[in-house]
Amino acid sequence: DAKTTQPNSMESNEEEPVHLPCNHSTISGTDYIHWYRQLPSQGPEYVIHGLTSNVNNRMASLAIAEDRKSSTLILHRATLRDAAVYYCIPDGKLIFGTGTRLQVFP
Amino acid sequence: EPEVTQTPSHQVTQMGQEVILRCVPISNHLYFYWYRQILGQKVEFLVSFYNNEISEKSEIFDDQFSVERPDGSNFTLKIRSTKLEDSAMYFCASRTESRSDLHFGNGTRLTVT
Repeated sequence: DAKTTQPNSMESNEEEPVHLPCNHSTISGTDYIHWYRQLPSQGPEYVIHGLTSNVNNRMASLAIAEDRKSSTLILHRATLRDAAVYYCIPDGKLIFGTGTRLQVFP
Repeated sequence: EPEVTQTPSHQVTQMGQEVILRCVPISNHLYFYWYRQILGQKVEFLVSFYNNEISEKSEIFDDQFSVERPDGSNFTLKIRSTKLEDSAMYFCASRTESRSDLHFGNGTRLTVT
């Protein structure tokens, strides 16, 4: 299983961009990089995933390093509802790590 | 938008009793999963299920656990003889393909007394 390193916590102000980093230096060549988040008292929720190219959807953008050893989840304008634990998962088995707890301040 | 539904939302059982947690995955999904999350801890993978058989399981998923897809719509997790340490939120999830996004239910909170 690929190992990940994410900061334990990050803070942002509302309506500011947030860049959530993840290192996954042992990722295999064929595994997608998935990002999920877990809002308080809810189940995990899919955010975005990608393989090599940067990806955009209505929730976020995913920037993947050329060597695929790291990626960054970008929330373009954080809202209070984005306060959650964000998980970077670079393997097909979807093994969750400890994630990054994002706090958003008004 | 289709959802993964789990019942019950909260289950209380006595130690040593059998419990069955129920899930209805999204109808066109083919891959099914169970995870658990002990209060304050991370989400832990238990088992994945595809084509009517277990495809992977974790060390947590020992002989006390079993999964079943009895009728083509439900996906159940059975714990044969519950222990206090089985108290946790149990999440069911499903997806269409092995690399597509995973859809989670809202979970069943299991309390073993």
